[in-house]
Amino acid sequence: EPEVTQTPSHQVTQMGQEVILRCVPISNHLYFYWYRQILGQKVEFLVSFYNNEISEKSEIFDDQFSVERPDGSNFTLKIRSTKLEDSAMYFCASREGVRQAFFGQGTRLTVV
Amino acid sequence: QKEVEQNSGPLSVPEGAIASLNCTYSDRVSQSFFWYRQYSGKSPELIMSIYSNGDKEDGRFTAQLNKASQYVSLLIRDSQPSDSATYLCAVSSSGGSNYKLTFGKGTLLTVNP
Repeated sequence: EPEVTQTPSHQVTQMGQEVILRCVPISNHLYFYWYRQILGQKVEFLVSFYNNEISEKSEIFDDQFSVERPDGSNFTLKIRSTKLEDSAMYFCASREGVRQAFFGQGTRLTVV
Repeated sequence: QKEVEQNSGPLSVPEGAIASLNCTYSDRVSQSFFWYRQYSGKSPELIMSIYSNGDKEDGRFTAQLNKASQYVSLLIRDSQPSDSATYLCAVSSSGGSNYKLTFGKGTLLTVNP
């Protein structure tokens, strides 16, 4: 069964460093997303990506965040100058159309 | 601001009982409704989707949607200890080419053997 793959599963970084979280969406899907879940809180939308551009971004997705689909298969989330409050689980998701989104297993980001 | 509210729980039921999970949403143009199960430290796993008013059954799970009341529910029959998890209600609207999900905080369900 096709699945969304995320790497790494756990990333520890020092405050102020840049991190890149990687995702391989399901191959025939058209819509790609990043969500974040701070420990004990709800899953929050960060950004959606369609037709090679950002279609919507949340208030959380400020200038320190960026997304790319560099090679037609990978979908990356870059966080520049990480802060302690960026520590969270980051989930990539993809969907083909209006139906359900499939989530990757997540990357646990710990900023120290 | 679009909101999705769930009864926060925790909800505790004995094995074999029916667990009832509820969700309300604020955005009337919402079109797609989902229940995800999330084990601690894991990603959300889709268990049910529903798009039109009424009931939808899949095995031990039944989702109910009432768009007039802006209400979605999930019933789990014959609850098993393996059903113990946090259940997330998620709502999506067409919103152009977006279909992003808005999640509730989740209801923690514990099924006691």
